[in-house]
Amino acid sequence: KQEVTQIPAALSVPEGENLVLNCSFTDSAIYNLQWFRQDPGKGLTSLLLIQSSQREQTSGRLNASLDKSSGRSTLYIAASQPGDSATYLCALGGGADGLTFGKGTHLIIQP
Amino acid sequence: GAGVSQSPSNKVTEKGKDVELRCDPISGHTALYWYRQSLGQGLEFLIYFQGNSAPDKSGLPSDRFSAERTGGSVSTLTIQRTQQEDSAVYLCASSLVRAEETQYFGPGTRLLVL
Repeated sequence: KQEVTQIPAALSVPEGENLVLNCSFTDSAIYNLQWFRQDPGKGLTSLLLIQSSQREQTSGRLNASLDKSSGRSTLYIAASQPGDSATYLCALGGGADGLTFGKGTHLIIQP
Repeated sequence: GAGVSQSPSNKVTEKGKDVELRCDPISGHTALYWYRQSLGQGLEFLIYFQGNSAPDKSGLPSDRFSAERTGGSVSTLTIQRTQQEDSAVYLCASSLVRAEETQYFGPGTRLLVL
């Protein structure tokens, strides 16, 4: 059974810093890896999707990487802003088994 | 077009009552998912529909849970004889064709069983 771990569980940094969120998984037989953000009381917003055959994806200030051999993904956020404060979730798989989620990293960007 | 919508947004019910949660996916999306998010468990996958068919219902927590999808569009998740441990946020997601594509989530239904 796929297990997904996100480190750290919580992170607080000053505005403007670059930061990295980590995600590790146990089963490399995945369809894809997806990063989401969740704001309090809201649903999930998809940030980036990396297909199994890809190594990274970029969108604006966000860059996500995937290394299946080591079972790791990172989400890099450049020049962080207070609006980036949210919980970031890593999710693996897809297919008929749905997504397997980590427990998330709660990020606070201090103005 | 419009995103995934869910109703009701909040539901408070008494233990033992039945509840029905509704999901309206993005128009044209053939794949639909239900997930549950609870404080202690994080986000867990419940069931997947491709069109009107759900190939595997083993992710549903108990036989009190059922789901259906008609016309390849709207889906309902029904919980019979609700228990306090059913309290959670129920999230629906859809993707265009295949399950490997980006999933787009609705805002969720927050269920509280008293």
